[in-house]
Amino acid sequence: AQKVTQAQTEISVVEKEDVTLDCVYETRDTTYYLFWYKQPPSGELVFLIRRNSFDEQNEISGRYSWNFQKSTSSFNFTITASQVVDSAVYFCALSMGNTPLVFGKGTRLSVIA
Amino acid sequence: DARVTQTPRDKVTEMGQEVTMRCQPILGHNTVFWYRQTMMQGLELLAYFRNRAPLDDSGMPKDRFSAEMPDATLATLKIQPSEPRDSAVYFCASGTRQGQPQHFGDGTRLSIL
Repeated sequence: AQKVTQAQTEISVVEKEDVTLDCVYETRDTTYYLFWYKQPPSGELVFLIRRNSFDEQNEISGRYSWNFQKSTSSFNFTITASQVVDSAVYFCALSMGNTPLVFGKGTRLSVIA
Repeated sequence: DARVTQTPRDKVTEMGQEVTMRCQPILGHNTVFWYRQTMMQGLELLAYFRNRAPLDDSGMPKDRFSAEMPDATLATLKIQPSEPRDSAVYFCASGTRQGQPQHFGDGTRLSIL
């Protein structure tokens, strides 16, 4: 069975600080996909980033970056120079393809001005 | 941008009433998912379809929930009779190729009194 664990329930940072959201996953499959979604206070779920199990290259996209390490089954997400608009609940998720997402419990990020 | 459309956005009704939620997936997406979000359980899968055929509905209480796809542009989720414990946010998502992110509708916020 697949499982996603987000150990951080809530994080609070001051604007302009960098913040890293942790995600640990479990799966026995060799092909899988990892995602981060953002849920702002308005409630919608917004796709942010994805990674497949064959590509461990870490990337930066604007203020977002991610660190995928298969050896530790981790897929951590970093926001650089956080802004108040980044305040939201962030979900890490896992799927085997075009199949249902298995979500973590989410991390609530509060960015204080 | 193409979007998943869900209706209604909010629904308040009394226990015992029938509730129908509708979802229009993104044109060309062949897979439709229904998720439910509660404080206690987080985001969990209820059911999903591929090419209109149901693939998994093990997350749904079978005695009161039903999910259908009358055509490729419409998915429905019905609850009859509704109970207070069904109060939650119900999300529809659609997807296509393996590894591509699922796109979510804005959700239906359901309150059963």
